[in-house]
Amino acid sequence: SQQGEEDPQALSIQEGENATMNCSYKTSINNLQWYRQNSGRGLVHLILIRSNEREKHSGRLRVTLDTSKKSSSLLITASRAADTASYFCARWGTDKLIFGTGTRLQVFP
Amino acid sequence: EPEVTQTPSHQVTQMGQEVILRCVPISNHLYFYWYRQILGQKVEFLVSFYNNEISEKSEIFDDQFSVERPDGSNFTLKIRSTKLEDSAMYFCASRASGGPRETQYFGPGTRLLVL
Repeated sequence: SQQGEEDPQALSIQEGENATMNCSYKTSINNLQWYRQNSGRGLVHLILIRSNEREKHSGRLRVTLDTSKKSSSLLITASRAADTASYFCARWGTDKLIFGTGTRLQVFP
Repeated sequence: EPEVTQTPSHQVTQMGQEVILRCVPISNHLYFYWYRQILGQKVEFLVSFYNNEISEKSEIFDDQFSVERPDGSNFTLKIRSTKLEDSAMYFCASRASGGPRETQYFGPGTRLLVL
């Protein structure tokens, strides 16, 4: 399968804690992207990391990429209840995005 | 900030009926996409569209599906004879010509329920 696999499938934490989600993929990539989806809602683009980058930050988000291991991680620091959502990694495949299976994050106040 | 819009937000239909899902991409975008997400599952690519023709389509996008850009602003997905398994959230996306190839902007989705 060309799809990304993410772990954990579900993650529950308390507000203020950090949340780490991982994504693995099987083919070579030009970049990897992370999206957030609130329950039953649309997809919001969070961050894109290119294959020649190892780490990227955006606010409380930190994404790392290890092309040798074909994996990426998304770290959300100092989580908030509003971060409760599903998070997906996605890679570019010709003229489409190929999404991973997602991690459902629940942040308890 | 410009955004992709979709209508309706929810649609309930009977099996065998035709449905048309509508999208208004961001105005200067030229590449358009449809994806779907069955409840609890991952987002799946359906079709990409550029210059008034399909660029790529997935195995899901069979003869029951069609896309059209009927005017300068709308981009539609038609399902001719809906099946129960077509129940899903359908997302439209667009990207700009000349912009970063990988940045797609998604609409809020249409939740389709086939009874």
